[in-house]
Amino acid sequence: EADIYQTPRYLVIGTGKKITLECSQTMGHDKMYWYQQDPGMELHLIHYSYGVNSTEKGDLSSESTVSRIRTEHFPLTLESARPSHTSQYLCASSVPGGETQYFGPGTRLLVL
Amino acid sequence: AQSVTQLGSHVSVSEGALVLLRCNYSSSVPPYLFWYVQYPNQGLQLLLKYTSAATLVKGINGFEAEFKKSETSFHLTKPSAHMSDAAEYFCAVSGGGYQKVTFGTGTKLQVIP
Repeated sequence: EADIYQTPRYLVIGTGKKITLECSQTMGHDKMYWYQQDPGMELHLIHYSYGVNSTEKGDLSSESTVSRIRTEHFPLTLESARPSHTSQYLCASSVPGGETQYFGPGTRLLVL
Repeated sequence: AQSVTQLGSHVSVSEGALVLLRCNYSSSVPPYLFWYVQYPNQGLQLLLKYTSAATLVKGINGFEAEFKKSETSFHLTKPSAHMSDAAEYFCAVSGGGYQKVTFGTGTKLQVIP
């Protein structure tokens, strides 16, 4: 069973607020990812990291930012939340060169 | 370039009936193929994967999938549906290694008692 955690699981917040979605894994995986998931849509990769101090933007343009200061921790930050950011955000990790991704339980974000 | 097409956003089967979820892919390199399952309020969990070994892949919970290169397909099957199989299923393709993974739009499986 994968040990990858996301907090909070649910978040309702007002427009303009700064939020940070937390993601941690205890498997020692170097690669980590953030996906955005909306009903009926494919998962969209918004950020990924190959390791500490490495971050890249994914396919879907996002106003969020990420950091990777520690191997196990990959937080995602929205400086000013907007209703268009309402979605589910999934964090995942994998070993280098590994194809299988291990997913966290997700954070459901609602911006009013 | 790579892509995945899942035919049918919703599939309903009776308990005990065959489950068949369809997935077609395109890839410019030999593909790695995956099926993931997502239960309500949870993340995705790997069901099975094809990585160029045997074309018939067996996964968890009695699911299996067959890689057919000529048809560019990787359909997921289970002989007898159980109520606990109700979930959303995602097909995905990758070029392997450091290549990104592209997911399909998902198929929601409903199991009718």
